[in-house]
Amino acid sequence: AQSVTQPDIHITVSEGASLELRCNYSYGATPYLFWYVQSPGQGLQLLLKYFSGDTLVQGIKGFEAEFKRSQSSFNLRKPSVHWSDAAEYFCAVGLMNRDDKIIFGKGTRLHILP
Amino acid sequence: NAGVMQNPRHLVRRRGQEARLRCSPMKGHSHVYWYRQLPEEGLKFMVYLQKENIIDESGMPKERFSAEFPKEGPSILRIQQVVRGDSAAYFCASQGKERNQPQHFGDGTRLSIL
Repeated sequence: AQSVTQPDIHITVSEGASLELRCNYSYGATPYLFWYVQSPGQGLQLLLKYFSGDTLVQGIKGFEAEFKRSQSSFNLRKPSVHWSDAAEYFCAVGLMNRDDKIIFGKGTRLHILP
Repeated sequence: NAGVMQNPRHLVRRRGQEARLRCSPMKGHSHVYWYRQLPEEGLKFMVYLQKENIIDESGMPKERFSAEFPKEGPSILRIQQVVRGDSAAYFCASQGKERNQPQHFGDGTRLSIL
């Protein structure tokens, strides 16, 4: 069955430090991959997506993610975090078959130290 | 999350009452998805609809829950005889007809059951 694992429930980094959020997926075919961010009380905003082509994907707000097929991973990175990046981050796999269903990970909550 | 409109943003119901959650997709989008988010959990797929058709309802509870997306008007997620366990945030997402497009999310409806 398809699944998405985000092994870190909470991550704390200092403002200005680099960030990497981990995501592993399980899917029988080449997946479509997404990272979404959710601020408190808000809906989900798409940060970036991978469908095909270059495995290093650039997104909004200075984020990027790299698809590594051999590791079944799609980790999210940012070279220098800002206090406004504190939020919950969801990795997701799009099944893109008949119904384009998306399977979400349980999320990683990012805390920023001043 | 401009474009996908959900209302109400907050809904309070007593046990046994009915809850109706509305979702207006982005202009031009004909695919609607409903997700439920419980505290400390990711989003769980509930149902996928196109105009006047339920495509996939594999994530919907077997009883009390129903969804529709009529030819005219918003999509409605209906929960009859609500129970405490129905308390959650319910998110709607819409997608265009073209394949390989990400889903765009609304800001959600927070349902609280007294």
